[in-house]
Amino acid sequence: AQTVTQSQPEMSVQEAETVTLSCTYDTSESDYYLFWYKQPPSRQMILVIRQEAYKQQNATENRFSVNFQKAAKSFSLKISDSQLGDAAMYFCAYRTGGTSYGKLTFGQGTILTVHP
Amino acid sequence: ETGVTQTPRHLVMGMTNKKSLKCEQHLGHNAMYWYKQSAKKPLELMFVYNFKEQTENNSVPSRFSPECPNSSHLFLHLHTLQPEDSALYLCASSQAQGIGQPQHFGDGTRLSIL
Repeated sequence: AQTVTQSQPEMSVQEAETVTLSCTYDTSESDYYLFWYKQPPSRQMILVIRQEAYKQQNATENRFSVNFQKAAKSFSLKISDSQLGDAAMYFCAYRTGGTSYGKLTFGQGTILTVHP
Repeated sequence: ETGVTQTPRHLVMGMTNKKSLKCEQHLGHNAMYWYKQSAKKPLELMFVYNFKEQTENNSVPSRFSPECPNSSHLFLHLHTLQPEDSALYLCASSQAQGIGQPQHFGDGTRLSIL
């Protein structure tokens, strides 16, 4: 079974600075997808960024980028120029690339606080 | 407009009550999911439906009974719940085919068991 571990329960950053959230996972599969989701307080889950395991290039979405290290099974999220609206719980998630449609395994989450 | 709507937003019920949670998606997706989110725990996948057929049941107790009458609607029927079932229940949807398609989540139903 796959597992996802986020070792940082809480992180904080100053507005306009950069922060990196860590995520590691364990799997025996070679074909899979990785995601970072953001959950603001009392609001829905929002997809921030995704990475296909077969792609070597790190995914980037505006101020959000990932450092995907497949051999190390590491998938960290970097947020540049942090904004107050980035404050939320961030979940790393793994999705099998096999026939199990859409089954996601989530990490424990990291609470990000952004200080003005 | 989130695309995935859950009702009610909050629900308080006794252990002997029977209630249902409703989820509706307007995204044309064919797969729908129920998740449980408890405090200080990772999201737990409960059920998955593809084209109205249940494809995943993650060892969920029988006091939770899902129903998917069509690809746009998903219900979670609740009966004889326990206090540890108090949590946020999230519904999500995605394209059934084309792996890598992200899941779109609703705002959730906050369930409290007295």
